[in-house]
Amino acid sequence: DSGVTQTPKHLITATGQRVTLRCSPRSGDLSVYWYQQSLDQGLQFLIQYYNGEERAKGNILERFSAQQFPDLHSELNLSSLELGDSALYFCASSVGHRSENIQYFGAGTRLSVL
Amino acid sequence: AQSVTQPDIHITVSEGASLELRCNYSYGATPYLFWYVQSPGQGLQLLLKYFSGDTLVQGIKGFEAEFKRSQSSFNLRKPSVHWSDAAEYFCAVINNAGNMLTFGGGTRLMVKP
Repeated sequence: DSGVTQTPKHLITATGQRVTLRCSPRSGDLSVYWYQQSLDQGLQFLIQYYNGEERAKGNILERFSAQQFPDLHSELNLSSLELGDSALYFCASSVGHRSENIQYFGAGTRLSVL
Repeated sequence: AQSVTQPDIHITVSEGASLELRCNYSYGATPYLFWYVQSPGQGLQLLLKYFSGDTLVQGIKGFEAEFKRSQSSFNLRKPSVHWSDAAEYFCAVINNAGNMLTFGGGTRLMVKP
């Protein structure tokens, strides 16, 4: 158990809908990262937050947004869902934002868009 | 831009046999390298990391990896594979800003009894 908690584990929804994925980082970790794992794109970095502030953006679509709350949990919001958004979404956390800070991953949320 | 290549999509080995999973990276500076393992229904678990120093690094579950700058490689090895090692293995490099892990495509390991 990495200590990173993601809910829900599975999510099934329809095209055009909006969903929210939740992540609770390890105790004491200030950085939260979101990654998407899909069959065609592999594992891709989406976005990072550090202590409530957005710190880096990767290949995140404009339909997607995230935030980190004062209690350090994070939410990833996916809207106007398309079939191609079906993927496994991982959250990771680390104590800081330096390269040597290890990222610990949650078990992921599997999103199926029908 | 940084990139990671894992040339082998699938590898099958017999239980008790040795294992080597290949990883090649492209990065402009000294890389910080990682190997993660993903078991079915599980998240990514860190096996080992290389930041600097000794080029042979030891990890959990009996795994080791060797950093070879001249070959831009960071191959993962295990002397004797167990059935529980069947999983998908990912090599990754992190950028200087310390925020973005770039992963290879993964190698799925199957273990024959």
